[in-house]
Amino acid sequence: QKEVEQNSGPLSVPEGAIASLNCTYSDRGSQSFFWYRQYSGKSPELIMSIYSNGDKEDGRFTAQLNKASQYVSLLIRDSQPSDSATYLCAGGDEKLTFGTGTRLTIIP
Amino acid sequence: GAGVSQTPSNKVTEKGKYVELRCDPISGHTALYWYRQSLGQGPEFLIYFQGTGAADDSGLPNDRFFAVRPEGSVSTLKIQRTERGDSAVYLCASSLTGQAVLNTEAFFGQGTRLTVV
Repeated sequence: QKEVEQNSGPLSVPEGAIASLNCTYSDRGSQSFFWYRQYSGKSPELIMSIYSNGDKEDGRFTAQLNKASQYVSLLIRDSQPSDSATYLCAGGDEKLTFGTGTRLTIIP
Repeated sequence: GAGVSQTPSNKVTEKGKYVELRCDPISGHTALYWYRQSLGQGPEFLIYFQGTGAADDSGLPNDRFFAVRPEGSVSTLKIQRTERGDSAVYLCASSLTGQAVLNTEAFFGQGTRLTVV
């Protein structure tokens, strides 16, 4: 059974600070990892993908992958109230296995 | 279309009835996925199509659930003899090749909220 686990939160971060979201996975063979953002009542929206060890930056978002530790993280710099959402970590090379999500609230 | 389209957006049905949920993927995407999401949970994989064929249906919970994609584009998820426990948001996603390691990501439709009463 492939599993993806996230710290369930909820996580509250002041506006302008860095939000850090973490995820571990059990399938050592997985090569592809994704972070989706999901607003309440909406469908998941892809924000980051990462396939190799190290960091990948896209604007205020940085994804980090450590395959040896089976660990994926997402950093959101200069957090904005519009970043308040549930963040889903997913892994898999065809079908995706999702974590349960971390609910993030940015406090103005 | 520009994105993945799912219809209906909401469906209320009585226990024991049959329902069909439709997904129209992004044009040109060969891979299509169905997921189910319950409140407070992440999406749960149901079935994956590569073209017209079901490449992996290991997530279908039982034989009341069936999905087709006859022409390799639109897909229909069919649920027979619905039960209250089937109530959830059913999400469809598509990707260009289905091989995420080739840097092709999956994009979700807005979902169908199914309520069985």
